[in-house]
Amino acid sequence: DVKVTQSSRYLVKRTGEKVFLECVQDMDHENMFWYRQDPGLGLRLIYFSYDVKMKEKGDIPEGYSVSREKKERFSLILESASTNQTSMYLCASSPTGDRGTEQYFGPGTRLTVT
Amino acid sequence: AQKITQTQPGMFVQEKEAVTLDCTYDTSDQSYGLFWYKQPSSGEMIFLIYQGSYDEQNATEGRYSLNFQKARKSANLVISASQLGDSAMYFCAMREGLAGGYNKLIFGAGTRLAVHP
Repeated sequence: DVKVTQSSRYLVKRTGEKVFLECVQDMDHENMFWYRQDPGLGLRLIYFSYDVKMKEKGDIPEGYSVSREKKERFSLILESASTNQTSMYLCASSPTGDRGTEQYFGPGTRLTVT
Repeated sequence: AQKITQTQPGMFVQEKEAVTLDCTYDTSDQSYGLFWYKQPSSGEMIFLIYQGSYDEQNATEGRYSLNFQKARKSANLVISASQLGDSAMYFCAMREGLAGGYNKLIFGAGTRLAVHP
């Protein structure tokens, strides 16, 4: 069965802290994605990666960085957390495939920055 | 620019009735795919149904069907015989481009559906 896991379901951090959100998939997928979800805005793409050590900016990369040292793991880094980064963060993975290839999502991390 | 619009922030339906969730999209590409995902209160995103831009028949998956009107650029989700467990957030999403690409999706703002007994 397909599985995407995220390191925490809930996280509370202080302003200015460095925050790591980890995502692991066990499906040998090439592509991995980080989204943030806010009410009324849907899911917005922060960064994605299509191979180990390869990354591309999404629609809202400011204030975030990513790391993909191994195929199964994709990390989202908040270098200096701010209150406007309080949000739900969703990781997803997918194989490279045809137009109908779905993305598989993790359970999400609800991050609160105080 | 590509865009997905879901104009209904919230909907409610009586149990066992059918409900339609609206989705319109904007793209200049001829080749694209449209997805619907369900997000229950637990937070995980569940894939429901897919429609390709070249598919002539509307997609169906059990109680879910996608009413695809290409000329109108709409891809509405129809849920028949609603159940209490259908109460959730529903997202419409679009993938542009040819096969073999990165499989990036663009999501709409979502519609929260409440099913009443």
